[in-house]
Amino acid sequence: SQQGEEDPQALSIQEGENATMNCSYKTSINNLQWYRQNSGRGLVHLILIRSNEREKHSGRLRVTLDTSKKSSSLLITASRAADTASYFCATDGGSGTYKYIFGTGTRLKVLA
Amino acid sequence: DAGITQSPRHKVTETGTPVTLRCHQTENHRYMYWYRQDPGHGLRLIHYSYGVKDTDKGEVSDGYSVSRSKTEDFLLTLESATSSQTSVYFCAAGAGGRTYEQYFGPGTRLTVT
Repeated sequence: SQQGEEDPQALSIQEGENATMNCSYKTSINNLQWYRQNSGRGLVHLILIRSNEREKHSGRLRVTLDTSKKSSSLLITASRAADTASYFCATDGGSGTYKYIFGTGTRLKVLA
Repeated sequence: DAGITQSPRHKVTETGTPVTLRCHQTENHRYMYWYRQDPGHGLRLIHYSYGVKDTDKGEVSDGYSVSRSKTEDFLLTLESATSSQTSVYFCAAGAGGRTYEQYFGPGTRLTVT
């Protein structure tokens, strides 16, 4: 079964708006990562947040982590058409290994 | 792509035939992974490797085997392809240590008829 489940499955917004995606997971983690996948391409790492961090920023990306609720959110501010992609969270399941489990993804469409 | 290549990029094969997919990396990363991506399932880990000749199963390993005889190459073999193995296969690599990021290849689209 999937460790991470993204919500919503699909999201459509206007350029300039903010996009928020959520990820819920089932077991304890050491860290959580977010990846982006453009259509027909491999995944690209966006940001990592460790279990002892609550918030992290990278450019227009803001990630939060609530370990008590076993959830994370990815916020993309001032979205652009180029942000159109699928976004995945990945968790290590607290395994202490480098083996990750990916969620099912959120498909984001940014309309120009 | 951090130097991750996959071959072939597309393949059509018949049920029952063996198939080998190749992943090659140029960054000397310790960890390598094979995933499959199917609609509604996201990415699922098939096998991963934590060093030369060191491999471990993922969540969907049945019907697949892997080999890693050199740091730069990670092979995925479908011993006897089935239609349920029609999918897009992604290879990834990661350095390990304090770095958890994975670098992905462009994918291989496999169709089993």
